[in-house]
This record gives sequence, C-alpha cells and structure tokens, in this order.
Amino acid sequence: DQQVKQNSPSLSVQEGRISILNCDYTNSMFDYFLWYKKYPAEGPTFLISISSIKDKNEDGRFTVFLNKSAKHLSLHIVPSQPGDSAVYFCAASDAGGTSYGKLTFGQGTILTVHP
Amino acid sequence: GAVVSQHPSRVICKSGTSVKIECRSLDFQATTMFWYRQFPKQSLMLMATSNEGSKATYEQGVEKDKFLINHASLTLSTLTVTSAHPEDSSFYICSARVPGRQFLSGNTIYFGEGSWLTVV
Repeated sequence: DQQVKQNSPSLSVQEGRISILNCDYTNSMFDYFLWYKKYPAEGPTFLISISSIKDKNEDGRFTVFLNKSAKHLSLHIVPSQPGDSAVYFCAASDAGGTSYGKLTFGQGTILTVHP
Repeated sequence: GAVVSQHPSRVICKSGTSVKIECRSLDFQATTMFWYRQFPKQSLMLMATSNEGSKATYEQGVEKDKFLINHASLTLSTLTVTSAHPEDSSFYICSARVPGRQFLSGNTIYFGEGSWLTVV
C-alpha cells in the first residue's frame, strides 16, 4: 500500500523555466510533508517542508503547495538550474503519532534541467 | 548545525557473515533514530524505529532477527545484518530526530550519508 505516490518517474526542464514536481498521499493522518533532493549513494538533502495547517511555504527558489482536500502537494522550483538535476523525494509524517519523525517516502522523480 | 554520521560508507561482505553499520548523532542526543533501506532506483523504505534503551520497532515484513538494531546510547544506533545474503545488498540510511522540536523540517530530522552494503 503506497501511501505517498509520485506518479511521474522523471521530468525534463529547460534551464530558467519552472519545475513542478507532484506528490499525492492517501493517509489523512499525515500532517507534515517534506521534500528532499537526493543523489545516488548519498543521504537525502532537505529542501523544504510544510505543515498541514498551511497551504503554501516558500524558501528562495523553492515553493511547496499543499491541497489537503485533494491530498496533493507540489514542489515548484523557479528558476530551474542545471545543479537542480537530481532525484526528488516527497515524504510525509504523522508528527503527532508515537513515531514522531518517521517518514513515508514517495517513489521519487528524476529531475533533469538542461542548459 | 546538527550532523548524523554513518559508518562505514561502503562495505563488502561474504554471504553468511554479519556486518554492522553505525549511526551517530554528533552534536545532539537522539532518543529516536530511524533505519531505511533503498534498493537501486527505488524509494526509501523504513525498516525500523530505534529507541534508546528499549527494543526497536520493526515495520511489517522486516525480519527483526536478521536486522538487529541496538540503540545503547543517546548518540549511537547500530544496525547489524546477520547471515547476510546477496539480496540484502542495498543502501542503508539512518536518520535521527532532534528531541524537543515540534516542527518537522531540516533542523529536526537529520539523515546520515548512507552505507552501501554489497554481499558477495
């Protein structure tokens, strides 16, 4: 049962344009959502997070939007840069639960930004 | 900032042997750590939650007798893969939660660099 889904395995974008990565979830108990960037054989690098009480959080070039009714979130990267090329993972957590900090990850989306 | 360190970063072991991976929180006390496994081109799957001073909580389908977790101190959790088989070859990643912080973000959960295990 995949509780967090990233349905696009890959995304290709031109440098300077917007990258939009999508994520859907099924567990209504999730109340924190995080985005990570990852390279092979390395640990994930935190990008941005959002609490379920918000619908938008922005940090520099990264903005995360949350639509609770649709159980959908998206990460916008503007402008995209070649250095953004990596695998992006969406993760969710039930922060109020007993396993606070336990993350459920999506399958990942490979982002390629072309110069 | 807080750092979580894993060791070794790469290990090759023979089938049937055991191998230990360490996860250390370097500048904070982590009462709870998490162990994940990632197969090539797949997602990070939670294996278990490691609690200092008590037994680990394993996710469904993870063999607790095969993947032994010991969280004997507030800064160290270890994962021992016992009687390793080639199918255990994977990338193992730990994370540690900073206690006392409510909002989940980059300064409340820290990931280690990961450990590549190859069983031959």
